[in-house]
Amino acid sequence: EVQLVESGGGLAQPGGSLRLSCAASGFTFSDHYMDWVRLAPGKGLEWVGRARNKANSYITEYAASVRGRFTISRDDSKNSLYLQMNSLKTEDTAVYYCVSELNYWHGSAYSPYFDYWGQGTLVTVSS
Amino acid sequence: SSELTQDPAVSVALGQTVRITCQGDSLRSYYASWYQQKPGQAPVLVVYGKNNRPSGIPDRFSGSSSGNTASLTITGAQAEDESDYYCTSRDSSDNSVVFGGGTKLTVL
Repeated sequence: EVQLVESGGGLAQPGGSLRLSCAASGFTFSDHYMDWVRLAPGKGLEWVGRARNKANSYITEYAASVRGRFTISRDDSKNSLYLQMNSLKTEDTAVYYCVSELNYWHGSAYSPYFDYWGQGTLVTVSS
Repeated sequence: SSELTQDPAVSVALGQTVRITCQGDSLRSYYASWYQQKPGQAPVLVVYGKNNRPSGIPDRFSGSSSGNTASLTITGAQAEDESDYYCTSRDSSDNSVVFGGGTKLTVL
């Protein structure tokens, strides 16, 4: 059974930091790209960023809204994904989901999709 | 960056067919994937690629695409299908991912 279990959420002050972790099991973690997606109160889902797999040099990519403040990393030896969040803003308040990503290939192009999701961890940024 | 547009709310009578649409320029080049999310729960993948369903997803869910529009069709909607539905696609300008704003489906 696939499991993605997030931890590390909680209350942080504006300008503060928080580190989220995600423990994966039940699938070959090292083969997958791994992402973070968030759901802010009253809003829709928003992609935060990803860490590619070893075959793709562990390249990280971020949404414009978090670039320069958030850092994604992974440890394949521990089947774990991390999200270091610095310079937090009130608008970062959201449930953060750890997600595994696969690519659907069509010709020479690919379209990503998210096959497994964790249950999420709530981050609240407030003074 | 790209944008994906969804109708905020759609309703369907029990047992009838409903189509939820997603529009955006990136859909001319890339396939959408669709997610069902119920309150307090994690999203669930229901359709991806040309028209693929993960195991465990009922065959009343199907996907299609034409031009800049992707569609999720539920044929014979059930009460348990009442949920928020999100489309997502690769951004046409870079490797990022963009989500639609979501559609709240009500089954009457």
